[in-house]
Amino acid sequence: DTAVSQTPKYLVTQMGNDKSIKCEQNLGHDTMYWYKQDSKKFLKIMFSYNNKELIINETVPNRFSPKSPDKAHLNLHINSLELGDSAVYFCASTPSSGANVLTFGAGSRLTVL
Amino acid sequence: TQLLEQSPQFLSIQEGENLTVYCNSSSVFSSLQWYRQEPGEGPVLLVTVVTGGEVKKLKRLTFQFGDARKDSSLHITAAQPGDTGLYLCAGSLNYQLIWGAGTKLIIKP
Repeated sequence: DTAVSQTPKYLVTQMGNDKSIKCEQNLGHDTMYWYKQDSKKFLKIMFSYNNKELIINETVPNRFSPKSPDKAHLNLHINSLELGDSAVYFCASTPSSGANVLTFGAGSRLTVL
Repeated sequence: TQLLEQSPQFLSIQEGENLTVYCNSSSVFSSLQWYRQEPGEGPVLLVTVVTGGEVKKLKRLTFQFGDARKDSSLHITAAQPGDTGLYLCAGSLNYQLIWGAGTKLIIKP
């Protein structure tokens, strides 16, 4: 039973399209995150939600909109996709906010053509 | 500006050799985590070090936190192909995690 699951695992799309990535955790954690890992493998935090409330919103284009319907789910919607959005997006969760140990999903590889 | 520097960026060695990976910063961290990431997967926690000078062992892996809590090292003894992966360190600073850029390790049989 996967602790943090995200779908889809692979996503190939054209520039200008809109796409969503979904994430669910069954760990009972309060805090969820979206990270972006670029081609150089650097992990950069994008957003963090604690109990459905946005607590971290790094400098990310407003084409990226997270949504947390409940504390077990955190989805990421991306409008007007650009070539530079190609990356692997990781969902993660922690028991609470703060620098706790992260449990990551397997990642969603987005390729924008 | 990278707050947490990892070195080397890439390391390819033969099975059976020893190696050390470093994680350095000018910032003082309240704790530091090491993760390993395999291709197609997310990072998985290996260890958390909290106290300055702390040493933790995980089978053939030895982790050390610097006395001043600004740096850390990961030493692998008798590396095996299964150790291949991307090793990431992350320091806790002001209730946020600061990530290093990772060390890509390849162990050749």
